Amino acid sequence: KAGVTQTPRYLIKTRGQQVTLSCSPISGHRSVSWYQQTPGQGLQFLFEYFSETQRNKGNFPGRFSGRQFSNSRSEMNVSTLELGDSALYLCASSFISGGVAEQFFGPGTRLTVL
Amino acid sequence: TQLLEQSPQFLSIQEGENLTVYCNSSSVFSSLQWYRQEPGEGPVLLVTVVTGGEVKKLKRLTFQFGDARKDSSLHITAAQPGDTGLYLCAGAYSGSSNTGKLIFGQGTTLQVKP
Repeated sequence: KAGVTQTPRYLIKTRGQQVTLSCSPISGHRSVSWYQQTPGQGLQFLFEYFSETQRNKGNFPGRFSGRQFSNSRSEMNVSTLELGDSALYLCASSFISGGVAEQFFGPGTRLTVL
Repeated sequence: TQLLEQSPQFLSIQEGENLTVYCNSSSVFSSLQWYRQEPGEGPVLLVTVVTGGEVKKLKRLTFQFGDARKDSSLHITAAQPGDTGLYLCAGAYSGSSNTGKLIFGQGTTLQVKP
């Protein structure tokens, strides 16, 4: 099976702009989670979508939003970008094994806000 | 706030040495996972532990889950340069182990010198 894919891999934006990142999960995986990774804060959970519904949400402002389509592909959007939004954004799709969700990560999208 | 404390943050050792990485929390996990991440890539799942006291081995890597399910450790025997990378522990709390919401530790950067 193909792994989790994320596009684009790199993105440069300026403050105030908005950005949309895309994630295609592993075939058959219905859950997609998004994380923000920075050197200072590490990996922080943004939100999770399952069957087109947001199932879990982290502690991020409303500028961060997402959605999931019927084919399980997911997008996340960040509006009114701030310098602090510069980070690696990781997407993971989940497979349930023994009642535990095992996550498979994509390579990430490196967002730089100038 | 649910926190996972990982130690040490940085580790630089010579090839052939042994090392242990620790992951601790004041809260009980339903499950805990260990990941390894290399530069420019997403984390890769190494192991999932679910039962208190559980020990799992993956070649030279030994993973242990504390009896109370509040802590975990990763021990590497005879480290090799190929073990170099960022090691991350991630926990799922009660009610979310079968969802895609994980709380990550800050990570341990391991450098193994030849």
